[in-house]
Amino acid sequence: EIVMTQSPATLSVSPGERATLSCRASQSVSTNLAWYQQKPGQVPRLLIYGASNRATGISARFSGSVSGTEFTLTISSLQSEDFAVYYCQQYNNWPPWYSFGQGTKLEIK
Amino acid sequence: EVQLVESGGGLVKPGGSLRLSCAASGFTFSSYTMNWVRQAPGKGLEWVSSISALSSSIYYADSVKGRFTISRDNAKNSLYLQMNSLRAEDTAVYYCARVAIAAAGTLWFDPWGQGTLVTVSS
Repeated sequence: EIVMTQSPATLSVSPGERATLSCRASQSVSTNLAWYQQKPGQVPRLLIYGASNRATGISARFSGSVSGTEFTLTISSLQSEDFAVYYCQQYNNWPPWYSFGQGTKLEIK
Repeated sequence: EVQLVESGGGLVKPGGSLRLSCAASGFTFSSYTMNWVRQAPGKGLEWVSSISALSSSIYYADSVKGRFTISRDNAKNSLYLQMNSLRAEDTAVYYCARVAIAAAGTLWFDPWGQGTLVTVSS
């Protein structure tokens, strides 16, 4: 089983600043990683797939990168609507065994 | 517009059963692998089960294997989750989610339904 570990659990950042969220896989998942944003009471929304590809309609302020088994979601110039919980998800396994990170809560400093 | 609408959630006693449904519209349902994902109150996301486009391949998380059954009816554009022997730890919002690309197996999920709440309590 591939375990996804996100850090930090909570990140406090001021509006206009940059936020950097991390997700580490317990073994290689290649670039088979997605990031989702979830606001309170809402459905998860796809932000990034393939580790670095923005989903349709997602602001260019969101970017993803990978180094080995370490994945990073960067949000530049934070806006009020960006404060939410962010989850990473690996989809590398076959047969399917999707695993999510435990989430990072991005809060206003 | 692509849409997924879940229904069937509710309050059930431990050991009881419930059947969730997900109605799909706006895309060729029979071409996509579908999934159930759950989220316990205040907790993170947990993949539950996947079913391929023609129901030939079905997979479950260990936590539900032997108790839950995923199925689909492509003629009705509907996905189902039969949940038996329910436990308190199955309490969660259950989302149906489509893989992003038709005829694909393991992929990211997009879109997601709005979810239906299942509460297991005596």
